[in-house]
Amino acid sequence: GAGVSQSPSNKVTEKGKDVELRCDPISGHTALYWYRQSLGQGLEFLIYFQGNSAPDKSGLPSDRFSAERTGGSVSTLTIQRTQQEDSAVYLCASSLGNTSGGLAYNEQFFGPGTRLTVL
Amino acid sequence: KQEVTQIPAALSVPEGENLVLNCSFTDSAIYNLQWFRQDPGKGLTSLLLIQSSQREQTSGRLNASLDKSSGRSTLYIAASQPGDSATYLCAVRFMTTDSWGKLQFGAGTQVVVTP
Repeated sequence: GAGVSQSPSNKVTEKGKDVELRCDPISGHTALYWYRQSLGQGLEFLIYFQGNSAPDKSGLPSDRFSAERTGGSVSTLTIQRTQQEDSAVYLCASSLGNTSGGLAYNEQFFGPGTRLTVL
Repeated sequence: KQEVTQIPAALSVPEGENLVLNCSFTDSAIYNLQWFRQDPGKGLTSLLLIQSSQREQTSGRLNASLDKSSGRSTLYIAASQPGDSATYLCAVRFMTTDSWGKLQFGAGTQVVVTP
């Protein structure tokens, strides 16, 4: 079946502009995660959504970052007033939600990522 | 602070040799550990997921072991092939964390298998 998809695959923007990154999770997966991969920081967690619960935003680096998930499926990560240090690959993942073992036991599947370059 | 470490950072082996990749973590209270493969410019491909109650998982030429008490996992790739060249990442889901939804990643081991 179809995996996690992300768009755009590449995004180049000017410092100070806002950008939106999109993620389509695997059908039937109720949990969705955003991560960021940069040369200096490796792979770091940003935010995750589980069903209709309030998202866990504990990994967002600043208030310029926000994310929403509409209809329990597609998610959009928005970065306002982009800075050069925001340049990174943004990865989305999804997993089954609260199965009998609980959310934490479920395998995460990743999309191809969006490479963001801020000039 | 909970950390995941992968050593070595890079590894080169001739085709046919077995690969041994190491991952260590600082807290034994984990839900699970996941091994990924990443090809240049691509996303992450999940290879194996080991739950905290398991000692090992196998998939084809891949075998991953888990020793929670010592905070270690090892990924074995038998009879390596040039197509196994990639970066291998280890990720841990810690129980005692400010966000149990997240995976904590190591920095990865870059593997080159030479023909």
